[in-house]
Amino acid sequence: DQQVKQNSPSLSVQEGRISILNCDYTNSMFDYFLWYKKYPAEGPTFLISISSIKDKNEDGRFTVFLNKSAKHLSLHIVPSQPGDSAVYFCAASARAGGGNKLTFGTGTQLKVEL
Amino acid sequence: GAVVSQHPSRVICKSGTSVKIECRSLDFQATTMFWYRQFPKQSLMLMATSNEGSKATYEQGVEKDKFLINHASLTLSTLTVTSAHPEDSSFYICSASRQGYNYGYTFGSGTRLTVV
Repeated sequence: DQQVKQNSPSLSVQEGRISILNCDYTNSMFDYFLWYKKYPAEGPTFLISISSIKDKNEDGRFTVFLNKSAKHLSLHIVPSQPGDSAVYFCAASARAGGGNKLTFGTGTQLKVEL
Repeated sequence: GAVVSQHPSRVICKSGTSVKIECRSLDFQATTMFWYRQFPKQSLMLMATSNEGSKATYEQGVEKDKFLINHASLTLSTLTVTSAHPEDSSFYICSASRQGYNYGYTFGSGTRLTVV
């Protein structure tokens, strides 16, 4: 039972354009969401998070949007850079602040082309 | 910032032997550590949650006698793959939780285990 889904396994974007990565979840108990970036043979690196009491959080080039009614979140990267090429995972937790397990999506491979 | 060190980064072992993977929080105390497994091109699957000084909680389908987890201190958790088989070959990643932080999950760099 995949509670967090990323339906696009891959995405290709031109440098300078916007990258939009999508994530859907089914568990209504999730109240905290995170995005991670991962390179092969490395651990995930935290990018940005959002609490369910918000619908948007922005940090530099990264913005996460949350639509609770649709159980959908998205990560926007603008402008996209070649160094952004990696696998992006969304993750969800039933409580913020650590100490509770994360449920990960299946990941989206982003390729930013010159 | 929070740093989690995971060793070894890569290990090759023979079938039937045991392998220990260490996960250390270097600059904070981790009350909870998580162990994940990732198959190629798949998601990170949580194997178990360990709290310092108590027994680990394993996810459904994970054999606790095969994947031994010890969290003896607030800065160290270990995962031992016992009697390893080729199907145990995978990428194992630990994560340490830091209470009170919004993004309280810091990941190690992972261990690539190959059982031959």
